[in-house]
Amino acid sequence: AQSVAQPEDQVNVAEGNPLTVKCTYSVSGNPYLFWYVQYPNRGLQFLLKYITGDNLVKGSYGFEAEFNKSQTSFHLKKPSALVSDSALYFCAVRADTGRRALTFGSGTRLQVQP
Amino acid sequence: EADIYQTPRYLVIGTGKKITLECSQTMGHDKMYWYQQDPGMELHLIHYSYGVNSTEKGDLSSESTVSRIRTEHFPLTLESARPSHTSQYLCASIGLTVNTEAFFGQGTRLTVV
Repeated sequence: AQSVAQPEDQVNVAEGNPLTVKCTYSVSGNPYLFWYVQYPNRGLQFLLKYITGDNLVKGSYGFEAEFNKSQTSFHLKKPSALVSDSALYFCAVRADTGRRALTFGSGTRLQVQP
Repeated sequence: EADIYQTPRYLVIGTGKKITLECSQTMGHDKMYWYQQDPGMELHLIHYSYGVNSTEKGDLSSESTVSRIRTEHFPLTLESARPSHTSQYLCASIGLTVNTEAFFGQGTRLTVV
């Protein structure tokens, strides 16, 4: 079985400050890790993924994420937050075989204050 | 921009009605999925398909059914809608390449009154 934990329901940061949204995972075999963002009444938009290679992956809108195998973590980061980054963020994992369905964390609401 | 479409975007319907939520993708993806997103925003897999004529139940039990007669089309049906079915339903697809991400539709927000 695979699972994802996002320990923070909400993260508040001031505009211009760095942000981190935390994610830890559990999966059998090699993990394929993803971050998605959801704006109100919209579907999920892909931000970035880790498949293999460099532990620091860069994605859309200036976001990046750091894969840490020993800590089974995949935290989302951005050096300087924008008010427009305020949204719901989901971390997801899937195995590299089988049905390949994503298992999502519970989501973290990011609020960036002006 | 992902080529996966869901209709309708919003639906308000009375209890007992039969409804079908449409999902279509033009990417030729074999694997397709339906997720239910509850008011707490968690996403739960309710159905998936490996390809034409393949459908499987997901992790969360659902009274809905799905069909996959064509690669590009994966509709979800509720034979008799109930207020407990009120939710957002998200369709997704993924390609053959093992390292590809899933693409999501815009979602259908269903309200059963």
